[in-house]
Amino acid sequence: GAGVSQSPSNKVTEKGKDVELRCDPISGHTALYWYRQSLGQGLEFLIYFQGNSAPDKSGLPSDRFSAERTGGSVSTLTIQRTQQEDSAVYLCASSLSGGENQPQHFGDGTRLSIL
Amino acid sequence: GIQVEQSPPDLILQEGANSTLRCNFSDSVNNLQWFHQNPWGQLINLFYIPSGTKQNGRLSATTVATERYSLLYISSSQTTDSGVYFCAGGVHGSSNTGKLIFGQGTTLQVKP
Repeated sequence: GAGVSQSPSNKVTEKGKDVELRCDPISGHTALYWYRQSLGQGLEFLIYFQGNSAPDKSGLPSDRFSAERTGGSVSTLTIQRTQQEDSAVYLCASSLSGGENQPQHFGDGTRLSIL
Repeated sequence: GIQVEQSPPDLILQEGANSTLRCNFSDSVNNLQWFHQNPWGQLINLFYIPSGTKQNGRLSATTVATERYSLLYISSSQTTDSGVYFCAGGVHGSSNTGKLIFGQGTTLQVKP
């Protein structure tokens, strides 16, 4: 079946603009994660959604970052007033259910470049 | 927070050689997983291995949870094994959401 799908694959935007990144998890997976991979920081957790539960936003680096997951499936990560330090690859993962004991499967990521 | 240390940071192998990659955790973790990031940036789940030993073809992994480490074995390496290998684990606790803490990775280059 289809894996985790992310769009766009690449995004170049000017500093100060808002961007939206999309993630479509594997069908039937109830848990969805966003991570960020940057040169200086490695892979960092951003936010987690599980079903209708309140998301775990503990990894979001600032209030310019937000995410939503509509209908328990597709998720959108929004970055407002982008800064150059936001340049990174944004990776989405899903697992069959949340919590412990679940392998996570990643999409190909969105490479974000802030000019 | 939990620290994840991977070694070696870089590794160059001749095709056909074997290797062992190590992952140490500063505290006990759950949900331990190994990933391979290929040269195109795709992150592939290799193993979900909170304890014990698993094998998948030329790859195998062993986790000794009580001693807070995991090993990834690559046998008869091929050029397609090149890339970065990450281990990651989650924090125990009632509030655990399964979020993973990643190591800095081992960059492997297999030469023909």
